[in-house]
Amino acid sequence: QSALTQPASVSGSPGQSITISCTGTSSDVGGFNYVSWYQQHPGKAPKLMIYDVTNRPSGVSNRFSGSKSDNTASLTISGLQAEDEADYYCMSYSRSSTVVFGGGTKVTVL
Amino acid sequence: QVQLMESGGGVVQPGRSLRLSCEASGFTFSSYGMHWVRQAPGKGLEWVALISYDGGQEYYADSVKGQFTISRDNSRTTLYLQMNSLREEDTAVYYCGRGGEAWSFDFWGQGTLVTVSS
Repeated sequence: QSALTQPASVSGSPGQSITISCTGTSSDVGGFNYVSWYQQHPGKAPKLMIYDVTNRPSGVSNRFSGSKSDNTASLTISGLQAEDEADYYCMSYSRSSTVVFGGGTKVTVL
Repeated sequence: QVQLMESGGGVVQPGRSLRLSCEASGFTFSSYGMHWVRQAPGKGLEWVALISYDGGQEYYADSVKGQFTISRDNSRTTLYLQMNSLREEDTAVYYCGRGGEAWSFDFWGQGTLVTVSS
């Protein structure tokens, strides 16, 4: 159950687009279409932003989108806004009904 | 609306036990798998355990297998985490989460802090 690999930080100016990567293996990210993404503001509980690689829950802005290629999943935030400044975590189903998180990425809006 | 409220956290000495609870409301608790996830201070999220909707199946992270036990009481709409032989590295905020579409967590509680310290 090794953690998925995410960049420690990503930054962008308001209005720009940024992409956060999440790299795993064929035993997790590459082997299943069960990647989800979570946003966490300081001192708050995580919030689901993307599930099943590309799907957005009701109420989540369409500025958030997900994709996957081989063993790497990505979260793209377009039209970056100040409120998007937070930590973002990817998560994937792994073997034998377990899940694994990424180490987290701090998004800074310049 | 869906609500999850954890309780039972606090300060405990190494080697002792603690039981966390997560009271659910606003949805049919007995229809959903439930998870525990923890976050050490200043660190990332770590999945801890999963229990199926009927309590018939349990799954654990390698880091807590044999030490923690997840359980549920569907009549009380409550999820539990029994934590034994606690170590300082178990210090974290513990969140309960509802299993959503496929393998995602669609709702989370606000968390309860467990501090293991002598």
